Amino acid sequence: DGGITQSPKYLFRKEGQNVTLSCEQNLNHDAMYWYRQDPGQGLRLIYYSQIVNDFQKGDIAEGYSVSREKKESFPLTVTSAQKNPTAFYLCASSRRALGGGANVLTFGAGSRLTVL
Amino acid sequence: QKEVEQNSGPLSVPEGAIASLNCTYSDRGSQSFFWYRQYSGKSPELIMFIYSNGDKEDGRFTAQLNKASQYVSLLIRDSQPSDSATYLCAVGSNSNSGYALNFGKGTSLLVTP
Repeated sequence: DGGITQSPKYLFRKEGQNVTLSCEQNLNHDAMYWYRQDPGQGLRLIYYSQIVNDFQKGDIAEGYSVSREKKESFPLTVTSAQKNPTAFYLCASSRRALGGGANVLTFGAGSRLTVL
Repeated sequence: QKEVEQNSGPLSVPEGAIASLNCTYSDRGSQSFFWYRQYSGKSPELIMFIYSNGDKEDGRFTAQLNKASQYVSLLIRDSQPSDSATYLCAVGSNSNSGYALNFGKGTSLLVTP
């Protein structure tokens, strides 16, 4: 079955450590996204990528980095520069909509990061 | 700043009733509108999307879009306890964020037996 796999599901980190969250999709989607969700909050866009070897900052990119070396993979690194990293991280993908504005996001199961 | 606003709730309805969830958005250039359901601790799952003004029905769900009023709603008929979840409204537009969606904070729905 096609889908998005995120790992790890739960991750604990000490302050000052970098961590990398994995996101792999087999949907043959061109576009991939990382969102962050805090309790009682909506999803906020961290980074997105429309094609391989290209990515752009979203609304809250500070303290995060990404790479897109393969179409299937879009890992997110939470660096020590991120001041409040404890959150639920969601990876998503979609087809690139021709004409823009018409796309459906498919989400992975999420990764819950807790900084101790 | 492109805003998507939802009443946080909780919205409580009895089993079998119609639940009405509302969403407003600020970007007049928005072109696509989505409703996602999110159970506690889980990721969002798509319920339905709508692109054109009017109503779109899918089973017990009806999405309504009014672009002039910048308003989108979701009706859930014959509500079931399993419908209890947070409902996220999401809006897409031609923007400098590619095809990413802007999400509201969600409305918590509780269906009581």
